[in-house]
Amino acid sequence: AQSVTQPDIHITVSEGASLELRCNYSYGATPYLFWYVQSPGQGLQLLLKYFSGDTLVQGIKGFEAEFKRSQSSFNLRKPSVHWSDAAEYFCAVGAWGGNNDMRFGAGTRLTVKP
Amino acid sequence: GAGVSQTPSNKVTEKGKYVELRCDPISGHTALYWYRQSLGQGPEFLIYFQGTGAADDSGLPNDRFFAVRPEGSVSTLKIQRTERGDSAVYLCASSLTGTGGTRVNTGELFFGEGSRLTVL
Repeated sequence: AQSVTQPDIHITVSEGASLELRCNYSYGATPYLFWYVQSPGQGLQLLLKYFSGDTLVQGIKGFEAEFKRSQSSFNLRKPSVHWSDAAEYFCAVGAWGGNNDMRFGAGTRLTVKP
Repeated sequence: GAGVSQTPSNKVTEKGKYVELRCDPISGHTALYWYRQSLGQGPEFLIYFQGTGAADDSGLPNDRFFAVRPEGSVSTLKIQRTERGDSAVYLCASSLTGTGGTRVNTGELFFGEGSRLTVL
């Protein structure tokens, strides 16, 4: 089955600074890849997804992610972080044509300093 | 409704009791998923329904956990003889057609806000 690793449990950045959250996946074929955000007391919200085509995908709230097959990575980036971006971020991988479950990483908690 | 609805939002029960958690997916979504999220962890897959049938229940931790979706819409997750280790947020998600299948399938999951289960 597919799996996801998010190496950073907690990241702190200053407001206005750039951000990169790391995600590595394991899957034997071409995966679906997703980034979700979870704010306190709220459900998971999709930021962006990749399933084919352009390896640089744009999402909501100014986020983007780049699929790198050679590195089995799908890192999330934002050029300038806003205080409202403080939340928990989850990378997830889904499978082509086989089992239909989606596997999530353990998450990275983002703190934004004023 | 417009989104995925889960009830109850909070449930406190005693060890050994039986619990039911309900999920009402987005209308028209054929795929429904249950996940469990423990504190500080990512969502852990439990079971996936395509229509009325459980297409993949490999994530259910043991036979105390069971889920149904008799009419292909609302789903109920049932936990028998609850244990303290069952305490977690149980998340439900729905999708138009599921995350796998054909390449036209975008696979986005829409999540409810979860049911927080506390077993004392």
